[in-house]
Amino acid sequence: EAGVTQFPSHSVIEKGQTVTLRCDPISGHDNLYWYRRVMGKEIKFLLHFVKESKQDESGMPNNRFLAERTGGTYSTLKVQPAELEDSGVYFCASSRDSSGNTIYFGEGSWLTVV
Amino acid sequence: AQSVSQHNHHVILSEAASLELGCNYSYGGTVNLFWYVQYPGQHLQLLLKYFSGDPLVKGIKGFEAEFIKSKFSFNLRKPSVQWSDTAEYFCAVTLSGGYQKVTFGTGTKLQVIP
Repeated sequence: EAGVTQFPSHSVIEKGQTVTLRCDPISGHDNLYWYRRVMGKEIKFLLHFVKESKQDESGMPNNRFLAERTGGTYSTLKVQPAELEDSGVYFCASSRDSSGNTIYFGEGSWLTVV
Repeated sequence: AQSVSQHNHHVILSEAASLELGCNYSYGGTVNLFWYVQYPGQHLQLLLKYFSGDPLVKGIKGFEAEFIKSKFSFNLRKPSVQWSDTAEYFCAVTLSGGYQKVTFGTGTKLQVIP
């Protein structure tokens, strides 16, 4: 079974540019999560999709971040315009149930804003 | 809101040394506890978890953790580390029952010297 895949693995962009991160969950997993780790800090929850619907987006830092999951399969996380403090690792995770207890993580997308 | 504290940010050990990584959480209710590990260049993966029952939990690769409710702790242990255990370790918690997002600690980088 393929795991959670994320693209790109690394991205370096200038402040003010736009970046779109993609996540492909494990097939059959209705629940998809985005987490972020800013350098030296803890991994923080951003949002949770159940199929194509946003179940919880309480962790999204501001309106420069837009997550979508059209069709309930893969998800994208767009940062526009990017700021320096957006640098970090963006993890995607998926699970079959929504209990939060059987989550599978991707390798993460490293974003550096310069 | 719940929080997780990992006291050691960077630990350096020689091979065959014993390991104990501290983890404390703050929440008065019933929790589920996890340790995740991220090996260099790999995705975040589950090492072990505690939901209920025996407070001493055995995980993969010889790791174990003990849940001490009175101390709000879930320390990770391994009697004899190997070079291949070099990784970053994250303690995490979810609230029991229903959907809850995962709250992570800041992580502990373990470096094992051959």
